[in-house]
Parts: sequence; C-alpha cells; structure tokens
Amino acid sequence: GAGVSQSPSNKVTEKGKDVELRCDPISGHTALYWYRQSLGQGLEFLIYFQGNSAPDKSGLPSDRFSAERTGGSVSTLTIQRTQQEDSAVYLCASSSPGRKYEQYFGPGTRLTVT
Amino acid sequence: RKEVEQDPGPFNVPEGATVAFNCTYSNSASQSFFWYRQDCRKEPKLLMSVYSSGNEDGRFTAQLNRASQYISLLIRDSKLSDSATYLCVVRGSARQLTFGSGTQLTVLP
Repeated sequence: GAGVSQSPSNKVTEKGKDVELRCDPISGHTALYWYRQSLGQGLEFLIYFQGNSAPDKSGLPSDRFSAERTGGSVSTLTIQRTQQEDSAVYLCASSSPGRKYEQYFGPGTRLTVT
Repeated sequence: RKEVEQDPGPFNVPEGATVAFNCTYSNSASQSFFWYRQDCRKEPKLLMSVYSSGNEDGRFTAQLNRASQYISLLIRDSKLSDSATYLCVVRGSARQLTFGSGTQLTVLP
C-alpha cells in the first residue's frame, strides 16, 4: 500500500519567509510525528499527534514552529520567519494503533534557508 | 550525557564478516527499543524491534541488557546491501522515540 508521503521534497526559501510542509500519513495510522534531521546529526523530535488528543509539542524549538493535523489525517508543519539554522530535512512518520511505537517515515522535505 | 549513545563508526568490514554494534541509553525507565537503518539521503526504516529475550530476524540478531542499559545488533554474513547507518531507538515513559545519532557501516567487496 501507499506509504507516508511528504511535500514538497525540496524547498529553498529566503531568511524571514514562512514555509509550510505537508505530511500525508499511511491510511489508518492514528499517530503522526514530525522530526528534523540536520546534516550528519540524529533525528530531533518536534511534535506528536495521537488521534483527537492534544498534541505533544514538547520538541518544538521555538514559537516560530507550529503544526496542525486536520481531520486526523494530513498534517502541516509551519515555520514562520525562517532562519538559516532551520535548514534541515524535516521527516514525518506515522504508526498504527496496534503497533504504535513502530514508526514508518516519509521521504522528508529538505529545507534550505538562504 | 546523550539519552541514546552510539559509536558513530565508521565500521568498514569485508563481505561475509560478522559485525556488532552497541548502543547505551540513560533512562532506566525506557520501555521499548528498536533498530532502524537509514541509507544515505533516505528516510529511516524500521529494521527490528528489540525484545527482552532477544530476537533474531534472518542474519540480524538484537539483544537487550536492561541491567547495563545497552542494546546490541549483530549482523552475520554481511552483504554489500547492508551498508547504511544503523540507528538505535529508545522509548521512555513519554510517547515519542529518542534516536541515537547512528553507526555507519560500509561492507566492502
């Protein structure tokens, strides 16, 4: 079946602009996660959605970052007033209710802030 | 101290060799453990979960030592296609996963 999809695959933006990154999880997966990975670094947790529960935003690095998940499916990560240090690959993952800690990742969005 | 620590490598081994990676975690309350692999410029993919009794999947064997707070991954008869970065992943009492920075493996012909 279809995996996790993300768009765009690449995004180049100027410092100070806002960007929106989209994630479409695997159908039926109730949990959705956002991570970012800087060059040569490990994955950094950003935010977690589980069903209709309040999201766990504990990993968001600043108030310039926000995310929403509409209808329990598609999610959008928004970065306002982008900075050069925001440059990274942003990865989305989803997991099923029965195996909620086995996460399946999308291909990521490579964000470059110039 | 990082929550999950791995030797970054690189490990360069000949085809057919056996190679082992270790990972340590700092939170004794950690509840779930996984190994993921990540190919260059690709997303991480789940390789296997790690169970307390140890588990095997083909050429791959994972072990968990709760007392010493480490996890291991053994790859037997390594193939060229095993070349990747192997990520140790731990879940604590919170719902999100914590990823190690990864161990790079290159299998040489």
